[in-house]
Order: sequence, then C-alpha cells, then structure tokens
Amino acid sequence: AQKVTQAQTEISVVEKEDVTLDCVYETRDTTYYLFWYKQPPSGELVFLIRRNSFDEQNEISGRYSWNFQKSTSSFNFTITASQVVDSAVYFCALSEAGDYGGATNKLIFGTGTLLAVQP
Amino acid sequence: SQTIHQWPATLVQPVGSPLSLECTVEGTSNPNLYWYRQAAGRGLQLLFYSVGIGQISSEVPQNLSASRPQDRQFILSSKKLLLSDSGFYLCAWKDWTSGRTGEQYFGPGTRLTVT
Repeated sequence: AQKVTQAQTEISVVEKEDVTLDCVYETRDTTYYLFWYKQPPSGELVFLIRRNSFDEQNEISGRYSWNFQKSTSSFNFTITASQVVDSAVYFCALSEAGDYGGATNKLIFGTGTLLAVQP
Repeated sequence: SQTIHQWPATLVQPVGSPLSLECTVEGTSNPNLYWYRQAAGRGLQLLFYSVGIGQISSEVPQNLSASRPQDRQFILSSKKLLLSDSGFYLCAWKDWTSGRTGEQYFGPGTRLTVT
C-alpha cells in the first residue's frame, strides 16, 4: 500500500537558518510521482514541485531545493536562508500511477510538517 | 489562466442540518475534480473525485455525497450533519490531459464547524 511519512510534526527555526523537511514514501509502483505543497495560514494548498520516479536529479528553485533518493525512498525539501514568510505547513504527497487521463492517480498526503520561522 | 473558487469560506451549522458546499473552476474544460477534508491534526483525506459530469467516485463511506451537475462545478452535500463532519474542506482540480503525472490545484477551502 502507498504511504507517505513526514516524521517531523513541527520545526522551529530562526530567520536565515537553513531547514530540511523530511519525507519518506512507500509504494509498489515502479512509476510514481512525488509532490510538495505549502499550506500557509490562509489554508489554501500551494503546489511547489512534482518529481517523477525515473528522474533522480535534484532540483533547485531560488531558496528551495529538493533531494530525491530512490534508494532510501526519500524526497526531502530544504529551504535555505529561511524567512518568516516561509512559515506554513508543508505536505509531501505521492501519486499512484493510474490510467492515463483518468482521475485514479489520487494524491496520498503525509500528515504535514509545521514550519515556524521566528524573526 | 485557471482559477478555482469555493464558497462559502466559513460555515457554522447545527447538528442535523443540511449542507451544500460549492466549487467551480474557470479557464479549463473537463477537469478532474476532487473533494478533500482536513480535520484537526492536518491530515488530508480524499472524499470524492470526478472525471466528468455525473461521474462521482467515493473514497470512504460517510455522511456526505457529491455531485457534478456541470463540467466545472462540483458540489459537496449532506442531508444531516454530524459533529464529526467539522473540518476544512478543500476542492481541487487537475488537467485531465496531464494523465497520471499531473499535479492538483487547490481552492481556498471552506471551514465548516458543526455545533
């Protein structure tokens, strides 16, 4: 069965510190997709990144970077030089490989990590 | 560009009352649509999804139902609310052409409190 584990319930850092959010997944699929979403206090989930299981290249976008390692089934998210605006709940999610064009690729979410960045 | 709307933003309803939450998407055709619930503790639970008008799949048996009367409209309903229905309800859409790779985009959510 598919499962996503975010073991860190809450993390508190001081502004400008680097912080890494951990995500470990379980799946029997050979092809799958991983996602990170941000949920600020307003509540709306904001899509950050998608990663395909056959592409293990790490990705950097500004202060954000993602480390995907199939060998350890992990997809970790690092924020460099954190800012107060980064305070939010961050969710990691796994998509089942369903039928093309169908809605069967449901997202399975982890329980989220609350990141608090103190000024 | 595509936008997704949900209303109402907040709702307080007594136990046993009916419920209707609405979600609409603009700027796309034939989207895949989803309803999620986020209870206290932050976990997101998929409730329903739809691949087209009148096509609804339920993920968990519960006190809720969903309908899709129009291509870009998704409605979550209940005939009689329970206390356990309280939570944050999120609607999401996905481009059907993206197949299994596509990310879902979420609406602003409805915060429901059942008293």
